[in-house]
This record gives sequence, structure tokens and C-alpha cells, in this order.
Amino acid sequence: SQKIEQNSEALNIQEGKTATLTCNYTNYSPAYLQWYRQDPGRGPVFLLLIRENEKEKRKERLKVTFDTTLKQSLFHITASQPADSATYLCALTKTSYDKVIFGPGTSLSVIP
Amino acid sequence: NAGVTQTPKFQVLKTGQSMTLQCAQDMNHEYMSWYRQDPGMGLRLIHYSVGAGITDQGEVPNGYNVSRSTTEDFPLRLLSAAPSQTSVYFCASSYLGRQPSSGANVLTFGAGSRLTVL
Repeated sequence: SQKIEQNSEALNIQEGKTATLTCNYTNYSPAYLQWYRQDPGRGPVFLLLIRENEKEKRKERLKVTFDTTLKQSLFHITASQPADSATYLCALTKTSYDKVIFGPGTSLSVIP
Repeated sequence: NAGVTQTPKFQVLKTGQSMTLQCAQDMNHEYMSWYRQDPGMGLRLIHYSVGAGITDQGEVPNGYNVSRSTTEDFPLRLLSAAPSQTSVYFCASSYLGRQPSSGANVLTFGAGSRLTVL
């Protein structure tokens, strides 16, 4: 069955450094990969989307890569700030019209 | 524009009781879905709907019923609550493949409903 894995441990980094979060998947061929941010007690919020034919996508301090051969996406936050502390979820869809399946999430803490 | 509204925010049930979690959206979204979130498990899809009158099962549908009689509403019913259904439930909706600028199924989430079954 399909499986999505993210960094198994919580990630702690120093303010100003680059945070790199990993999303790996098996038994799945997504056309789209999305990243969401979730703060405690709130619903997830969409951040970025990358298509299977795109290698990299950027939005301000965020960068996402998508390697369909490795079945992996990397999510980078450059010049990290304490306000970036949250749980980050990757999500996959097979087509534009398909359901969205989520990974378990990675908790990021940016230390001042 | 309220977005996705979930009620109630908190609920305590006894084993065997039934209840309905309400979800309403005012964005004319075709797609609506329910997830549950448990520690270390991420978001698991319970049921989803691609339009009024159409529903389908997700990863963990057992113990839950849904219906979609209107575009705006997608209630989740627990017919006989069990302690294993203690969780935080999220409703999410989207334009499905008609999402502006991406054409993908990008979700807008509600604030969540925390359910405890004793």
C-alpha cells in the first residue's frame, strides 16, 4: 500500500540557518506534491505546490524540490526565524481531481 | 467570507452514543473531505466528496458515515462512538482541479473539532 514518510524526529535548528525537511513516498506516483504548515490547535494551511514535471519551486524564503526517481521531496526554509516553528506536512495527489493523502508531519523548532 | 466552518469545536461522548460533526463552506468548493489527526499519525482521510450526491471512502472510513446533499455542507456522522474515535477531526474543501493558478486539489481547512469518547 502507499506510504508517505517525513523526518521521523522533531527538527531543532538555530535562527538564521536553513531548515531542510524530507518527504519520501512509496507505492505511489503523484502528479502533485504539496506542503502545508500547521500551528498548534489550528488547521493546516497550504504553502507550496510542485508538479511532477517541475524540479524546483520557490516562494520567498521557501524552496521545494521534487525528485520522482528518488520518490522524494525536500522542503527548505532559508534564514529561518522563530516564527517558522510549526509542524510541516507533505501531501500527495495522483491527479488534479484526486483525493489528497498526507504524511505524518515534521515538527520544526527554530531556536533564537 | 467565513471559509470552512466546523462545529462543534469540542465534544465529549460516551461509548455507544451517536453524534454529527458539521462542516460548511461558503466558497462554492466542489470537493469536501474529512480527516482525523492523531499524535504521530498525521492526517488520515476518512471520507471525501467530489460534488453533491457523490461520496467515497478514504483510508479509515469504518465507524463513520457521510452524505453530501448540498454543495455547502458535508456532515460526518458517528453512529456508535468508540474510544478509538477520540481524535481531532478536520474538514477541508477545494475547487478540485479548478484551483486558480495551480489547477490542483489545494485544500482549505477548518479549525478542527476535538472529540473525546469515554
